[in-house]
Amino acid sequence: DAKTTQPPSMDCAEGRAANLPCNHSTISGNEYVYWYRQIHSQGPQYIIHGLKNNETNEMASLIITEDRKSSTLILPHATLRDTAVYYCIALESGRSGAGSYQLTFGKGTKLSVIP
Amino acid sequence: DTEVTQTPKHLVMGMTNKKSLKCEQHMGHRAMYWYKQKAKKPPELMFVYSYEKLSINESVPSRFSPECPNSSLLNLHLHALQPEDSALYLCASSQEPQVGYEQYFGPGTRLTVT
Repeated sequence: DAKTTQPPSMDCAEGRAANLPCNHSTISGNEYVYWYRQIHSQGPQYIIHGLKNNETNEMASLIITEDRKSSTLILPHATLRDTAVYYCIALESGRSGAGSYQLTFGKGTKLSVIP
Repeated sequence: DTEVTQTPKHLVMGMTNKKSLKCEQHMGHRAMYWYKQKAKKPPELMFVYSYEKLSINESVPSRFSPECPNSSLLNLHLHALQPEDSALYLCASSQEPQVGYEQYFGPGTRLTVT
């Protein structure tokens, strides 16, 4: 799975959009980009994932560049409850057999939403 | 119901004790996972169960012994742990053990070894 690089920390004003970047310059054509977050002292929470197209769900939007070397997670209206560590993970699909799916978490970005 | 439950929430044990952590999901998921998270570090995969069979063991010491009695339940048996094993132990499940299916995490068991 491709290595991802994220800034260690970011601040965002409450109510504003939070844009979290992720670099995955060595990503291959069949690797998905997944985003999870972990609020302090809780288990990680799935946010969104995508392959080539931009994706949106009730939590966030995922913008993937055309060359797929980077992506941005967008929280459209950040609240204090969005303060968390956000993890960007590249995962290769198409592997066969059991045990083909394991999350390898990097250091992530610590997002602080400021009142 | 999209919940993964873990018990106990907190556990303090001595180095000679034997204890077990329990994880349960009723979503019909066929893959279950144990992760270990040290303070201020990201979670690290320990074990993966796929269709109730152990499919990945990330070189975890034998003092940690996983068990999957049925498709809804995952246990982690602990014996002769060391103080450095103190951590948050997270359980997760996914519908299938394949990319494309998100993992649902429980709240974790915070373990302290004295």
